[in-house]
Amino acid sequence: EPEVTQTPSHQVTQMGQEVILRCVPISNHLYFYWYRQILGQKVEFLVSFYNNEISEKSEIFDDQFSVERPDGSNFTLKIRSTKLEDSAMYFCASSEALTADSNQPQHFGDGTRLSIL
Amino acid sequence: AQKITQTQPGMFVQEKEAVTLDCTYDTSDPSYGLFWYKQPSSGEMIFLIYQGSYDQQNATEGRYSLNFQKARKSANLVISASQLGDSAMYFCAMRELGGGADGLTFGKGTHLIIQP
Repeated sequence: EPEVTQTPSHQVTQMGQEVILRCVPISNHLYFYWYRQILGQKVEFLVSFYNNEISEKSEIFDDQFSVERPDGSNFTLKIRSTKLEDSAMYFCASSEALTADSNQPQHFGDGTRLSIL
Repeated sequence: AQKITQTQPGMFVQEKEAVTLDCTYDTSDPSYGLFWYKQPSSGEMIFLIYQGSYDQQNATEGRYSLNFQKARKSANLVISASQLGDSAMYFCAMRELGGGADGLTFGKGTHLIIQP
């Protein structure tokens, strides 16, 4: 069964450094998402991406964050100048084309655990 | 106000028993979808079941069923014949379609432990 893959599974970075989290969505999916889950807390939406541009972003997704689809398969989340509070599990998800009449489930990757020191 | 409320932070259930995980939601959007995800201790998020606001029947997927009571704004997950492998965090989530929202709003989750 096709799945969303994320690399690396664990990333340790010094505070102030830039980090790039990588994702390969399911191949026929058109919508891509990033979520984060701070340890022990609920999953929070960061951003959605469709047709090579941001479709929606939450308040969390400030200028520190950016997303990119550099080629036909990868989808990346970049965090510039990381802060201690950026430590969390980051999930990538993808879904088939979104229509107003259906809710395509979002399929999640296994996550990247980001630790900022 | 919380959009998704899961009132059971933790539950212990005997193996083979049925279990109901509660979820209530808050929205004024007439068009929305409700989702349940399972998160084992290994951390991945596994999609379980989906219910649309206009669906007439309750969703079922194998041992999972969703008890959808629209007037009460509840979407409880029912797991029949629980197994040890069902031990995990379970998250209820919602997507509101009317405002064009893409992202899912999650509840805080219920930690389910199945005991032998």
